Amino acid sequence: GAGVSQTPSNKVTEKGKYVELRCDPISGHTALYWYRQSLGQGPEFLIYFQGTGAADDSGLPNDRFFAVRPEGSVSTLKIQRTERGDSAVYLCASSARGPPNTEAFFGQGTRLTVV
Amino acid sequence: GIQVEQSPPDLILQEGANSTLRCNFSDSVNNLQWFHQNPWGQLINLFYIPSGTKQNGRLSATTVATERYSLLYISSSQTTDSGVYFCAAVDSGNTPLVFGKGTRLSVIA
Repeated sequence: GAGVSQTPSNKVTEKGKYVELRCDPISGHTALYWYRQSLGQGPEFLIYFQGTGAADDSGLPNDRFFAVRPEGSVSTLKIQRTERGDSAVYLCASSARGPPNTEAFFGQGTRLTVV
Repeated sequence: GIQVEQSPPDLILQEGANSTLRCNFSDSVNNLQWFHQNPWGQLINLFYIPSGTKQNGRLSATTVATERYSLLYISSSQTTDSGVYFCAAVDSGNTPLVFGKGTRLSVIA
């Protein structure tokens, strides 16, 4: 597609439920990134894929968070047993190649609210 | 990992004024980007500028990698420039972009 697309735009879920957030990167981009942004803060890195594999998952806060990119294109961020502290905007980005020498482009984000 | 600091944290301008936003980083960088986050939360790419100077209309940016800082200049500001400006860097270890906390700009008519 023309840009990075994220669905849904908004998600409200109850504490303890499971959620999936989807990211469709720019066509042909091999690198895909997930970030999380809390109110008043800059985006914080979660995980980075190069192709189908997770090249760096050091930002995932705990084992409730998991992400996949099975065919090297669309990615899904999965959160189990959601907690109120998981409420944030989840941003996805893609770039033509992995870091460093490549510009990253972001989607519009998914606003997750855990009630 | 690399630390990215932005200043000032908040800035209020009268329409038509000029401004300079600063980004300091703690280590050498292989990549540096400036973004504008609009009121709807979309991160819009402004500059990809690991070194040197670039200009795009009323905006320009300069990165002095050897002194570990980057500057974003906004001239003749407009109300549509309001929002949060983020600087983000990739360090020599090639970890993905690390963001600063942003500068919140409000331009008043």
